[in-house]
Amino acid sequence: DTAVSQTPKYLVTQMGNDKSIKCEQNLGHDTMYWYKQDSKKFLKIMFSYNNKELIINETVPNRFSPKSPDKAHLNLHINSLELGDSAVYFCASSPDGSGGQETQYFGPGTRLLVL
Amino acid sequence: GESVGLHLPTLSVQEGDNSIINCAYSNSASDYFIWYKQESGKGPQFIIDIRSNMDKRQGQRVTVLLNKTVKHLSLQIAATQPGDSAVYFCAEKAGNTGKLIFGQGTTLQVKP
Repeated sequence: DTAVSQTPKYLVTQMGNDKSIKCEQNLGHDTMYWYKQDSKKFLKIMFSYNNKELIINETVPNRFSPKSPDKAHLNLHINSLELGDSAVYFCASSPDGSGGQETQYFGPGTRLLVL
Repeated sequence: GESVGLHLPTLSVQEGDNSIINCAYSNSASDYFIWYKQESGKGPQFIIDIRSNMDKRQGQRVTVLLNKTVKHLSLQIAATQPGDSAVYFCAEKAGNTGKLIFGQGTTLQVKP
């Protein structure tokens, strides 16, 4: 069974559209994250949620809105997509964010291409 | 500012040799460090981690060394195999939010 899963794996869309990426983890973890990996492979955190509560909100345009319906899911909605949003988006989860429980496990990624 | 960097963007080794991938970090308050392996088209895969109260930790064929004096982290892979070919990232954590700061990645190429 896949521990951290993301859908879709590939997403090709036009500039200006709104799209969502879904993430689910079946590890029973309390904390989930979204990362963006650019074309140079640089990984940068965007958001994290702990038990449905927003913990980290990096300097991300407010066109990006995470939603956590329960602690096993963290979805990412992107409004008015721009060319610069093209990247690979990774979801991750950890048992907790601290106290010896912070090892993060990553999903397979969603490859977003904005045309 | 916050930064985690790697000394070499690409490392090429012969199959069977040992590999050493280096990483420098800048935040002396970082208390947790982790290495990931990322194969083409896949997500980062956990390899090994280490806390700041340790200077060495061993796993299966991998060893992580932490030198807090010079803020340096290294990953040693013994008897490197073709399956080890990937991009390797180090990351550091400071504070209790779980925020990991990643380095730029080193590409390991294993020659048969």
